Amino acid sequence: GAVVSQHPSRVICKSGTSVKIECRSLDFQATTMFWYRQFPKQSLMLMATSNEGSKATYEQGVEKDKFLINHASLTLSTLTVTSAHPEDSSFYICSASEQFFGPGTRLTVL
Amino acid sequence: DAKTTQPTSMDCAEGRAANLPCNHSTISGNEYVYWYRQIHSQGPQYIIHGLKNNETNEMASLIITEDRKSSTLILPHATLRDTAVYYCIVMGGSYIPTFGRGTSLIVHP
Repeated sequence: GAVVSQHPSRVICKSGTSVKIECRSLDFQATTMFWYRQFPKQSLMLMATSNEGSKATYEQGVEKDKFLINHASLTLSTLTVTSAHPEDSSFYICSASEQFFGPGTRLTVL
Repeated sequence: DAKTTQPTSMDCAEGRAANLPCNHSTISGNEYVYWYRQIHSQGPQYIIHGLKNNETNEMASLIITEDRKSSTLILPHATLRDTAVYYCIVMGGSYIPTFGRGTSLIVHP
């Protein structure tokens, strides 16, 4: 089956820095990808829908200027957490369809 | 998409069948029932989905009641590696999974 990869798998950064997370669909083209985040002991929450070649669609309450999404090709979407703060520490997960999810990226902001 | 209700937690013995229930009484005719699981600190894993017929694959079986208001995911021979949170999600149209709290299944020796 299709595989979705994420890089890095975990990252620790200082408060105020920006972090980029990559999501790749390895063997199929995805015009749409999805970004979720999951806080400890909570369920996954959809953050945004990434559209190849156009602007992402953000869920209510998600700041588009803080969570920059770029979907420049049919196999790559990136999520950049700008000026990260400790409250942004979370598990970020992407998916390339309703059946294929990435392994997740654990972000810790000190 | 219709909402689902699942027990918060369940447990079963290794080697026995794990039967995870899900209620989706407001499901509409074009909505599918999807099941996923999430092992600790990993991304969700798709398990199976169905519309109205029972389905089986190498991972599990999905039994959907005739009125489609509930379903059961069956892991026929649970192993310790099946310990995870299992999500039942009803989708139609957008096919963007909305995750609830799911059922935490613990398989014990």
